[in-house]
Amino acid sequence: QSVLTQPPSVSGTPGQNVTISCSGSSSNIAINYVYWYQQLPETAPTLLIYRNNRRPSGVPDRFSGSKSGTSASLAISGLRSEDEADYYCAAWDNSRSGYVFGTGTKVTVL
Amino acid sequence: EVQLVESGGGLVQAGGSLRLSCAVSGFTFSNYWMTWVRQAPGKGLEWVANIKEDGSTKNYVDSVKGRFTISRDNVKRSLYLQMNNLRSEDTAVYYCGRWEVAAIDSWGRGTLITVSS
Repeated sequence: QSVLTQPPSVSGTPGQNVTISCSGSSSNIAINYVYWYQQLPETAPTLLIYRNNRRPSGVPDRFSGSKSGTSASLAISGLRSEDEADYYCAAWDNSRSGYVFGTGTKVTVL
Repeated sequence: EVQLVESGGGLVQAGGSLRLSCAVSGFTFSNYWMTWVRQAPGKGLEWVANIKEDGSTKNYVDSVKGRFTISRDNVKRSLYLQMNNLRSEDTAVYYCGRWEVAAIDSWGRGTLITVSS
């Protein structure tokens, strides 16, 4: 059972901006970094955002992350067809001494 | 180029055991924590375990504690997951990953474990 809650789905037309929320608690997001992963269909996940808002090399600046209190968000600006994928937030949880993933959000480009 | 290649997956009966391996190349294995993550069919990601560079510290998700053991061989540049007393709910694709300060910055392609009841 995931301890980080995300909306099941988000959709938009090409060029639109969309945001995915990630709700956690005082034992995870509030006190630790948040990470975001992208999983394209039938492939392994890849790191999209690390330490709340940093992008690994090669990740377009259309993707941005933010954190406030016990919640985090991933914003995709100028949505493109290739952004259609599942997105997961994650953070270390001190009370569980373990890494927790969000429930996942499917992004659909209409 | 960083590469992680899992092996050892397959079909096993409930209560049985399986050992997964992950062979790495393209980076200094002994300098990194490593991790296993799984994904049940049609479901989300679930972190399973991680292990420190020298193997001295290991963490597990509660659902596998006492049944799974993560280990590594820095000479062979390999990560392992020994899975005992397997249950149907362990059916998943298992990914190995390189752990960099809580970011899983490189992933293998995964290996499928199917536990039949």
